[in-house]
Order: sequence, then structure tokens, then C-alpha cells
Amino acid sequence: EIVLTQSPGTLSLSPGERATLSCRASQSVTSDVAWYQQKLGQAPRLLISGASTRATGIPDRFSGSGSGTDFTLTISRLEPEDFAVYYCQQYGSSPITFGQGTRLEIK
Amino acid sequence: EVQLVESGGGLVQPGGSLRLSCSASGIMFNIYAMHWVRQAPGKGLEYVSAISSNGRTTYYADSVKGRSTISRDNSKNTVYLEMSSLRVEDTAVYFCVCSEYGMFAFNIWGQGTMVTVSS
Repeated sequence: EIVLTQSPGTLSLSPGERATLSCRASQSVTSDVAWYQQKLGQAPRLLISGASTRATGIPDRFSGSGSGTDFTLTISRLEPEDFAVYYCQQYGSSPITFGQGTRLEIK
Repeated sequence: EVQLVESGGGLVQPGGSLRLSCSASGIMFNIYAMHWVRQAPGKGLEYVSAISSNGRTTYYADSVKGRSTISRDNSKNTVYLEMSSLRVEDTAVYFCVCSEYGMFAFNIWGQGTMVTVSS
């Protein structure tokens, strides 16, 4: 089973700042990585698939990069609604696994 | 509007059984694989089970294998997850999900149904 390790566990930033979230896989998953945003009491929302392709309706301040074992989700300028928990997911190898999440909180 | 609506959650004693349902609307249900993902209280996401569009292929995570059965009724646009021999660690919100992209990046999620296993 591929283990995804997200860092940092919690990221404290202010609106307008740039956020960089990391996801590292225990072995290569090529580019089969997705990123999700989850707000309290809500279902996750798909942001990025294929490591770098924004899902429909996702603002262009969200971008994904990486391949192999190291992946990054970048939010260029934080908006108040971006403060949430973010999960990475790999689907390159069975079983599908998720990272433990990064909490993005307002500083 | 694309929508997945789960039902069937509730409080059940350890060792008990439950059947979760997920009703889909706004999508061509019979062409999509359907999946279940769960989230224990305050925890992360866990991929639980999947069924192919025609129902012939299924997948179960080790944590539920042998205790769960996924099925679907394409005439009713509904997918089911039957769970038995429930354990306290099965306590979670169960989300019904699917991908319109034909991959495993899930762009459609239900609102979830809560399963609580407790005596």
C-alpha cells in the first residue's frame, strides 16, 4: 500500500499570502494524484486531478505540480474561503490511498 | 443538477448490520463506476469499496473485506453497501462518490451518511 505523507500538518497564513502544501508518496504514483478541499461538515471537493489539472469551476489561484513521489498544491493568493483541510489522494496503485491532511488556518 | 444522496446510516450495536443506499440523479448512472469513501470522526479519508458500471467487478478495502457487499441497481440509479459484523472502528461518515472523468479522481460526492457503531 502506498503511503502519502502530507506536510505541514497545519499551516497558518493570512489572506493574500501564498500557500504551499506538500504530499510525498512512499513509491512512485506517476501523475495519478488528486487534491481535495474539505470544509467543516461538508464533503470534500475535488480541486486537482492528474497532479496538475484543475477540476471544473476551480479558480486559477489553485495549481498542482509534481510527479513520481513529490507533489505540491499551491494557492497563489489566499482568499478567506480557502481556509480548510486539504487532502491528497493517489490512484496510481491499488488500494487508493489518501494523505492525512493539511489544515490551512487563518493566522 | 448532479446529485448523490446517501441514506441508511444510524446507530447500530457491535456485531450488527446495516445497508447504506446512494441514489444518483443528473448523471448517466449506468456508465459510471461507483465508490464508497468513509471518514471517521475527526480523521482522514479512507477508500472503502467500489463497483464497476455493470456491477460485475467489485473492490473492498481489507478493513471491510468479508463483512461488506457492494451492489447496484442501474434501473433505480442506486448503489448499495451492505455491512455486517460491524465494529466500533466502522464508525464514520460514509460518502458515495464517483468520477465523471473515468479515473479515480472523485468530482461528485454525496453529503454522507453517519454510521455509529456503539453499545
